[in-house]
Amino acid sequence: NAGVMQNPRHLVRRRGQEARLRCSPMKGHSHVYWYRQLPEEGLKFMVYLQKENIIDESGMPKERFSAEFPKEGPSILRIQQVVRGDSAAYFCASSPLGELFFGEGSRLTVL
Amino acid sequence: QQQVKQSPQSLIVQKGGISIINCAYENTAFDYFPWYQQFPGKGPALLIAIRPDVSEKKEGRFTISFNKSAKQFSLHIMDSQPGDSATYFCAASISNFGNEKLTFGTGTRLTIIP
Repeated sequence: NAGVMQNPRHLVRRRGQEARLRCSPMKGHSHVYWYRQLPEEGLKFMVYLQKENIIDESGMPKERFSAEFPKEGPSILRIQQVVRGDSAAYFCASSPLGELFFGEGSRLTVL
Repeated sequence: QQQVKQSPQSLIVQKGGISIINCAYENTAFDYFPWYQQFPGKGPALLIAIRPDVSEKKEGRFTISFNKSAKQFSLHIMDSQPGDSATYFCAASISNFGNEKLTFGTGTRLTIIP
């Protein structure tokens, strides 16, 4: 039973470019969460999605960040016009209801 | 207040000793308190969790102690082993119709020395 799959594992972007991070939840899980981890810090909640619905986006920055979880395919976290402060590890987690299962993360570096 | 405060930031324990990590919270609506273990380059993995209806939960060498009146909870690792060297995060959430939005502490880097 495959775990939560995230790709790419590492992504390098120059300032002003777009970053797209993908997350495939565990089989049978219909809830996806995105968290951001800055160096030497804990994880910060960004957004909670179910299929085709954003349930809670209270942790998402107001600009440049968006997330989706379409009926078919992975959940995508999109960061437009990246800045150096966006450099972080982005973790996706899925849940059937209850315990969160985390992926191994996508590490974004903005040059 | 949604903060969860975690201490210490780093901890060195001798093999066979007891590792203790503490967390405190402000929001009395929190009703789920998990601990996560994270190895370098990996995602966090659930270690053990507790709800406020009990004061202690033990799973193998790992124990959570929970003090509702003090709004504190702690992780104890008995007989600590080098393989326990990792970063540990406490977290808290409010059960809300399946929304498992966790508020994390800032982490404790645990090193077990021979």
